[in-house]
This record gives sequence, C-alpha cells and structure tokens, in this order.
Amino acid sequence: EDKVVQSPLSLVVHEGDTVTLNCSYEVTNFRSLLWYKQEKKAPTFLFMLTSSGIEKKSGRLSSILDKKELFSILNITATQTGDSAVYLCAVQAGTALIFGKGTTLSVSS
Amino acid sequence: DGGITQSPKYLFRKEGQNVTLSCEQNLNHDAMYWYRQDPGQGLRLIYYSQIVNDFQKGDIAEGYSVSREKKESFPLTVTSAQKNPTAFYLCASSTSTSGGAYSYEQYFGPGTRLTVT
Repeated sequence: EDKVVQSPLSLVVHEGDTVTLNCSYEVTNFRSLLWYKQEKKAPTFLFMLTSSGIEKKSGRLSSILDKKELFSILNITATQTGDSAVYLCAVQAGTALIFGKGTTLSVSS
Repeated sequence: DGGITQSPKYLFRKEGQNVTLSCEQNLNHDAMYWYRQDPGQGLRLIYYSQIVNDFQKGDIAEGYSVSREKKESFPLTVTSAQKNPTAFYLCASSTSTSGGAYSYEQYFGPGTRLTVT
C-alpha cells in the first residue's frame, strides 16, 4: 500500500529558528513529490520535486529530494510567525496525489 | 482572475439528508479532484476526474457521488450513506495529459466545512 509519512507531526519554535520538516514515502510508480502550506483553508503550492539532489529554493524555504532513500526535507530558515501553518507533503504515484498527515509548525514571537 | 471556487464556505445539514458541494474552476484544467480532510489527518482522495463525463473513485468514495458534465464544474454529493460526513472538503484541479508519465501541481479551492448533526 502506498504511503507518505511526515515527521514530526507538530513542532514549536521561536522566531528566527531554522526548522527541518521530513517526508518519507513508499509508493509504486513515483512521479513527483510536492510540498504545500496550509493556513486554515486551501493548501498553497510550495515546491514540486522530481529529481534527486536538486535543491529547490524560494526565499527562506528550500527543499530537496532523495529518491534512493525515499525522502524529502523542507527547510525554513529565520522562521517568522507568518510561517505558522500545516505543511503537507504529497507524492504523485499514478494519477492522484497521496498526502501525508502534515506537520503543524507553530512559530512564537 | 483565474482560480477555483467552492461554495458554500460552511454548510450545516441534518443526518439523513443528501447535500451537494459546488466546485468551479476557470483555469482551463482538465483534471479535478475532491479531498476530505479530518483533524490531524492528511487529505484523502474521494473522487477524481481527468476528463469531462468520466470520473474515478479515490480511496474513500463510499457514500459520495460526483458528476462531470462540464470541464469547469465538478460537484460532490454527500449522501445519507456516508457514515461520518462531518469534515472539511477541498476541491482541486490540475492540468492533465493522457497516458505516459507526467508531473503537475494541484491548485486548491478554499474548501467547504460540512457539519452534519
């Protein structure tokens, strides 16, 4: 059975800290791995990763995929209170996306 | 401007009633999806459609039905057969290519929070 596991499930940090969120997967027919940020409502797209070892970066956020070890990490540097959200990892295997349960990040000022 | 709209934002129903959630997109996307999200859970796929007049069951289709008569619209009906319908429902869309391998991101609507009592 295809599965996506995120860790930790929740995390509390202080503003300015750097955090690393983890996503491991076991799927057949892997096509891509996606990261989303969800703040109460609709998830918003962050990154799509298809190749191992190539870092994707957007401001303070970055992500990398390891297809040999079947995992991805999402890094957030110099965290801000606006980074507080649920971060969802999803893997495209076949037609649809398989989501992990998410990591709830709380950034305190 | 382009996007996905879902209505209503909040919906309350009595047990035993069918209810239909609306999802419309003007992104010209071929594929549309319905997910359910429960507290502490990830998104679980209910139904998806890659083309008009065709749709497929996802992981938790029991108690739900859909239609795809137009490219822009993919309504979801929560029937009385759904044993635990109270949840947050998210609709998404994406580009889709037929056959072969492809990678894409899904764009999500704002969601409908359904409460059944």
